[in-house]
Amino acid sequence: QAVVTQEPSLTVSPGGTVTLTCGSSTGAVASGHYPSWFQQKPGQAPRTLIYDTSNKHSWTPARFSGSLLGGKAALTLSGAQPEDEAEYYCLLSYSGAWMFGGGTKLTVL
Amino acid sequence: QVQMQESGPGLVKPSETLSLSCSVSGGSMNNYFWTWIRQPPGKGLEWIGYIYSSGSTNYNPSLNSRVTLSVDTSKNQFSLNLNSVTAADTAVYYCVRVGRKGSKPTNIDYWGQGTLVTVSS
Repeated sequence: QAVVTQEPSLTVSPGGTVTLTCGSSTGAVASGHYPSWFQQKPGQAPRTLIYDTSNKHSWTPARFSGSLLGGKAALTLSGAQPEDEAEYYCLLSYSGAWMFGGGTKLTVL
Repeated sequence: QVQMQESGPGLVKPSETLSLSCSVSGGSMNNYFWTWIRQPPGKGLEWIGYIYSSGSTNYNPSLNSRVTLSVDTSKNQFSLNLNSVTAADTAVYYCVRVGRKGSKPTNIDYWGQGTLVTVSS
């Protein structure tokens, strides 16, 4: 079974830019893994920020963007706000079987 | 606005079957995948499985032998049965709607608020 890897923790300054990555033990992440990104704050259900690599929902703040970068899926936050402090999870599809990454705790400080 | 609400017992005894339902309002269930995801206390997310509105299913291989999903589009609900539970199945269980790209489930959008199920005698 594949393992999906994320940075355990990252810190960004208010107004700064940070990139979270999502790698796969099977090799490069591709568009066919349909990467998704989720934000979860303490005590809340996750919410979907990005699906299918780079697509946003109507509720996704414009400062979040998704891409493929250096063989990984990437979530870039440009202009971090205090309310962006949260846990972020990525999800990859392996021929229909889904696997979550372990999550990245993002601190805005 | 689509809303999803999980329901079911909050406490299940070891070796018994965990049964949850998810009620969907504000939209049709047709042409979507309906998914269960769980999160043990203090830990990460785990995909359990999904079912298409037609009834076809795909389960997490690690849970495959214990999981059954079903859907009733006429009642706007879908359900999860997980048998032979142990303490390791204690988690918050979320129901999630997923749109498709062609035949693939790719557009994860609405989540329920989650329901905590504790496995204990």
